[in-house]
Amino acid sequence: GESVGLHLPTLSVQEGDNSIINCAYSNSASDYFIWYKQESGKGPQFIIDIRSNMDKRQGQRVTVLLNKTVKHLSLQIAATQPGDSAVYFCAENIEHNFNKFYFGSGTKLNVKP
Amino acid sequence: GAGVSQSPSNKVTEKGKDVELRCDPISGHTALYWYRQSLGQGLEFLIYFQGNSAPDKSGLPSDRFSAERTGGSVSTLTIQRTQQEDSAVYLCASSPGLAKQFFGPGTRLTVL
Repeated sequence: GESVGLHLPTLSVQEGDNSIINCAYSNSASDYFIWYKQESGKGPQFIIDIRSNMDKRQGQRVTVLLNKTVKHLSLQIAATQPGDSAVYFCAENIEHNFNKFYFGSGTKLNVKP
Repeated sequence: GAGVSQSPSNKVTEKGKDVELRCDPISGHTALYWYRQSLGQGLEFLIYFQGNSAPDKSGLPSDRFSAERTGGSVSTLTIQRTQQEDSAVYLCASSPGLAKQFFGPGTRLTVL
């Protein structure tokens, strides 16, 4: 499979601070990316997605940035809350082949009150 | 509305036994995925069903693994002659045919 990995396996932040979770991918043909949040004992939950024709997309308190030059994307969470504590995965999709998504190993976000 | 459900939530079995894991997707979703998640790891693609098309089985790790989807709805993942390395959380997801997937809570399989 393709290589999708994360720079930081664990990230601890103070409540109210902003969080940045990073992800690198290796295949320049990847054209669609999703960030998922997985709480303990639950399945992954969709957060936000971005297509390769964009470099930034914003949601509610979350922003995804895509840098195709260095094959890197990040998830920014504004005003991090205790409920944001979870494992975050990025996933890449290649050429609209919805058969397969390649997931990174995840970053655990710990929010300290 | 109801999300994706999976059963059982936990399964403990002995090495060499067969197991069946069930997934009930969201009604009307044409696509269904199975993934495996080992402890501290990302999701490993296993199999993909889309409507009446032949499933993409390219992610199944061995011929001990098989899956079917009856009537375009419920899916069963079967693992024959389980091995200890099969221990993992098995996740099912469904999709209305677009990229966004809705995941179930998973089945935690432990092979002793």
